[in-house]
Amino acid sequence: GESVGLHLPTLSVQEGDNSIINCAYSNSASDYFIWYKQESGKGPQFIIDIRSNMDKRQGQRVTVLLNKTVKHLSLQIAATQPGDSAVYFCAERMTTDSWGKLQFGAGTQVVVTP
Amino acid sequence: KAGVTQTPRYLIKTRGQQVTLSCSPISGHRSVSWYQQTPGQGLQFLFEYFSETQRNKGNFPGRFSGRQFSNSRSEMNVSTLELGDSALYLCASSLETGMSYGYTFGSGTRLTVV
Repeated sequence: GESVGLHLPTLSVQEGDNSIINCAYSNSASDYFIWYKQESGKGPQFIIDIRSNMDKRQGQRVTVLLNKTVKHLSLQIAATQPGDSAVYFCAERMTTDSWGKLQFGAGTQVVVTP
Repeated sequence: KAGVTQTPRYLIKTRGQQVTLSCSPISGHRSVSWYQQTPGQGLQFLFEYFSETQRNKGNFPGRFSGRQFSNSRSEMNVSTLELGDSALYLCASSLETGMSYGYTFGSGTRLTVV
């Protein structure tokens, strides 16, 4: 029968607006988190990371917020540009059963409209 | 500097055959991890190699195997291919094991099993 694929949530953003992408992570013992961007036909590209002893980290046009109480991670992109259209993944470093591997979220499709 | 190089980029194989994929990490990176990406399951960890030793393994059958050479280059092998093995196989390299600094991904090998 037909396989059911992951239904990626889609965030539609107007060019120039700010984007917020959310991610719920699974393991309260995870200590390191990364956001990746994947464009069509390419591998995931590192955007920004944050360690569990921090709440916020800023990069160029991007900010990552970490809320350990509710196991929530967000990526904010300022002044979204057409080149920001891609799938965005959050990833957590597992420290319990398989120390060192990354577990990825399902991803969010960001579509930037003119 | 050169990024992570995966060869070949595209591959078509028949059910029952075997396949070998190659990954050359960034110069100086000693850890190589492999991920399978499908629309149905997203990004799933296959295994990690560091100093020619498998450090971590994901939940994949024994048909999936890998190795790492003394120059840190890695290969993964899938034997007795099944239709469900059709996927984008991504290789990622990191300076050290334990995922302290995040991965750099290659562009992947698109495997189609017919």
